[in-house]
Amino acid sequence: ILNVEQSPQSLHVQEGDSTNFTCSFPSSNFYALHWYRWETAKSPEALFVMTLNGDEKKKGRISATLNTKEGYSYLYIKGSQPEDSATYLCAPNTGNQFYFGTGTSLTVIP
Amino acid sequence: GAVVSQHPSWVICKSGTSVKIECRSLDFQATTMFWYRQFPKQSLMLMATSNEGSKATYEQGVEKDKFLINHASLTLSTLTVTSAHPEDSSFYICSASEGYEQPQHFGDGTRLSIL
Repeated sequence: ILNVEQSPQSLHVQEGDSTNFTCSFPSSNFYALHWYRWETAKSPEALFVMTLNGDEKKKGRISATLNTKEGYSYLYIKGSQPEDSATYLCAPNTGNQFYFGTGTSLTVIP
Repeated sequence: GAVVSQHPSWVICKSGTSVKIECRSLDFQATTMFWYRQFPKQSLMLMATSNEGSKATYEQGVEKDKFLINHASLTLSTLTVTSAHPEDSSFYICSASEGYEQPQHFGDGTRLSIL
């Protein structure tokens, strides 16, 4: 079982603020790192799949970076909006196994 | 976009009943499907991974005879909870992928309540 840690566990920000959170994982046997957004009453939605050390991906106001050598990934949200409120999950993949972190619950206050 | 349909969304049944949950990829071929369980206030726990036409790979601690997984085609996987008991009550969710480096597309989940 992979030890995946996400921090902070929950976060409240004002609309318009930028924010970021962390996913930490063991760097050995790394294959890929997935980020998902899970809104209440919906199914998880894929944000990014990252495989290369130093990789940076962007989707609108959301971006993510990856450091496979030290075992962490950051997710950034620029200019948070209420619709960004969700739980953000990361899931490192060691080839044929996925281990989801407990997520960061983001609430954006209008 | 890729759509995964999971059915049923909610099941309430008596102890001892077997329950089948279906997971279908509607507009793509899923070479790999995943089954997860979520306990209250916890994250998604991978139960098993299934590849079309082969036996599922179960995670440690997951009973193969209790949770039967069939992945008969590239668009359908089923999870059968056999002789379900109250401790099997949980939220079960499937996902489908075209490969391990591809994103997973999730169904809406099934809330199982065993009385």
